[in-house]
Amino acid sequence: QTVVTQEPSLTVSPGGTVTLTCASSTGAVTSGYYPNWFQQKPGQAPRALIFSTNNKHFWTPARFSGSLLGGKAALTLSDVQPEDEADYYCLLYYSDSHLGVFGGGTKLTVL
Amino acid sequence: EVQLVESGGGLIQPGGSLRVSCAASGFTVSRNYMSWVRQAPGKGLEWVSVIYSDGSGGSTYYADSVKGRFTISRDSSKNTLYLQMNSLRADDTAVYYCARRRVNSYGPLDFDFWGQGTLVTVSS
Repeated sequence: QTVVTQEPSLTVSPGGTVTLTCASSTGAVTSGYYPNWFQQKPGQAPRALIFSTNNKHFWTPARFSGSLLGGKAALTLSDVQPEDEADYYCLLYYSDSHLGVFGGGTKLTVL
Repeated sequence: EVQLVESGGGLIQPGGSLRVSCAASGFTVSRNYMSWVRQAPGKGLEWVSVIYSDGSGGSTYYADSVKGRFTISRDSSKNTLYLQMNSLRADDTAVYYCARRRVNSYGPLDFDFWGQGTLVTVSS
């Protein structure tokens, strides 16, 4: 069974920078996994932030960026704002099985 | 304006069946890849199923946890996506979201728009 791993929780100060990562139990994450990142606030549906590794939707704030880092997918938040406090999920696509697997999510606290 | 509205959730006994719907507006369901994602209470997101566009053959794929029990489908005349859920278990209790893949994107699961979700509770 494929497992996608994220940091369970991270804390960042307002105005700071934080990087969230997303690892696959099958090995290094590459662009072929089309990593996606989503933000979810309590009581709300998820909101798409990043698709196919590093592409932003038109509504994605410029302070959010996606990349590949050390064999993992990464989401970097710069100049963090209080409203960025939320759960963040990555999603990887496994082309051999045509299946998607979400990471367990990272709870980001802005303090 | 793209909108996705789920419905059909409710309380169902273990072993029962239920069909949830996702009514789409602002785009054509059959021309897009569509997925179902669920979230158990207090837990993370779980990808459930995808149906490819007509132009990509309409293939369907399922997470191992639901394979053989759930069926994804669509009705072009109603522009609606469905998830038929059979042999339901307590661990299928979750909010079920539908999500659309971004038009002209490379990744099959490059979601852009999500619905607000519908709660399915499996309990006796």
